[in-house]
Amino acid sequence: DADVTQTPRNRITKTGKRIMLECSQTKGHDRMYWYRQDPGLGLQLIYYSFDVKDINKGEISDGYSVSRQAQAKFSLSLESAIPNQTALYFCATSDGLAGGLNEQFFGPGTRLTVL
Amino acid sequence: QKEVEQNSGPLSVPEGAIASLNCTYSDRGSQSFFWYRQYSGKSPELIMSIYSNGDKEDGRFTAQLNKASQYVSLLIRDSQPSDSATYLCAVEDPSGGSYIPTFGRGTSLIVHP
Repeated sequence: DADVTQTPRNRITKTGKRIMLECSQTKGHDRMYWYRQDPGLGLQLIYYSFDVKDINKGEISDGYSVSRQAQAKFSLSLESAIPNQTALYFCATSDGLAGGLNEQFFGPGTRLTVL
Repeated sequence: QKEVEQNSGPLSVPEGAIASLNCTYSDRGSQSFFWYRQYSGKSPELIMSIYSNGDKEDGRFTAQLNKASQYVSLLIRDSQPSDSATYLCAVEDPSGGSYIPTFGRGTSLIVHP
């Protein structure tokens, strides 16, 4: 079984709709992240969480919100989807080891299309 | 603002050749550096990490770090068509103990038979 799972894998929605993307992990990691990736661009950090009570904005958090329901679950919501939020979304986890070298483990991605 | 720069490519090399991928970064305080491989439509996966100046080798892959010049590179020896992918450089920011990575836009590598 995959260590980091995302649902749904693909979603097509309309402008103005509320969308939730879900991420679950079995790696036992405290740190979880949401990224978006647009063609030709790198990974842009939307939100990250170091534990259930610690949520932080990334570089492109406008238009997004998150919920850390448990150590293993981290959801991303688009309250009112717009077409420029069409992208590939990745959830990731890391161990948060002191001293760095924190490898990120990525889920399979959710391809979101907003019409 | 932290920046991680990569040439977008594509970098095209013949099978069996050495592919050289480069990455520069702006934050002199960065401590940890990563190379991820991403196949089209798939998620990134770690192939190399490096912390100290110099070279680190793992099989056909060698990561090279020069903190004074603020660059990190990845060499792929005996390149194979299966190495064709986008390679993402990531630099970890230790400020405040957060160790949040910043990713470059990636370099597309094409290995042709």
